[in-house]
Amino acid sequence: NAGVTQTPKFQVLKTGQSMTLQCAQDMNHEYMSWYRQDPGMGLRLIHYSVGAGITDQGEVPNGYNVSRSTTEDFPLRLLSAAPSQTSVYFCASSYVGTGELFFGEGSRLTVL
Amino acid sequence: ILNVEQSPQSLHVQEGDSTNFTCSFPSSNFYALHWYRWETAKSPEALFVMTLNGDEKKKGRISATLNTKEGYSYLYIKGSQPEDSATYLCAFCNQGGKLIFGQGTELSVKP
Repeated sequence: NAGVTQTPKFQVLKTGQSMTLQCAQDMNHEYMSWYRQDPGMGLRLIHYSVGAGITDQGEVPNGYNVSRSTTEDFPLRLLSAAPSQTSVYFCASSYVGTGELFFGEGSRLTVL
Repeated sequence: ILNVEQSPQSLHVQEGDSTNFTCSFPSSNFYALHWYRWETAKSPEALFVMTLNGDEKKKGRISATLNTKEGYSYLYIKGSQPEDSATYLCAFCNQGGKLIFGQGTELSVKP
């Protein structure tokens, strides 16, 4: 069972570079989301999607783009990385409604 | 802005102690309240998802209650064990599907 797969697990970027964090799930979940984890801040919602073709902003969306062209994939794009985006990123998915979230293993991003 | 507050921020107890944590959330536009357990170097794992006012859920020594009218949920751990050491997160889900986490309660159980 693959569950929620995130890639890459580690990435170092220079300020101004762009990159995409990939997230894929094989559970046919409608709901997918991206969170970032920073010390003392818990998990903060970046963007989420309740189904293919539908995305919405979370608490901290600035500097990030998402798209949801398929049910399985929900990539997170950093258009011009900044040191403030150094964080651990988690992708999570669930059935829409009362479904529990299933998390990926996290992606640690460092922006120099 | 959705404010989800958890208290205490951290808790240190002895093995065998019972503990409880609080999660407060907006009482309007409520859809569900989640509890997760997050061990160091792992990903969060779901404990409970509750939707109805007055709901009570139990899994082994861990239980949770929900009051949607006043906007709070309690998580109880009976007879804490060292393996219960983790961060416990609650998350409020509104009717639009936005799921916001509190900052968590870090529990440390000493043998």
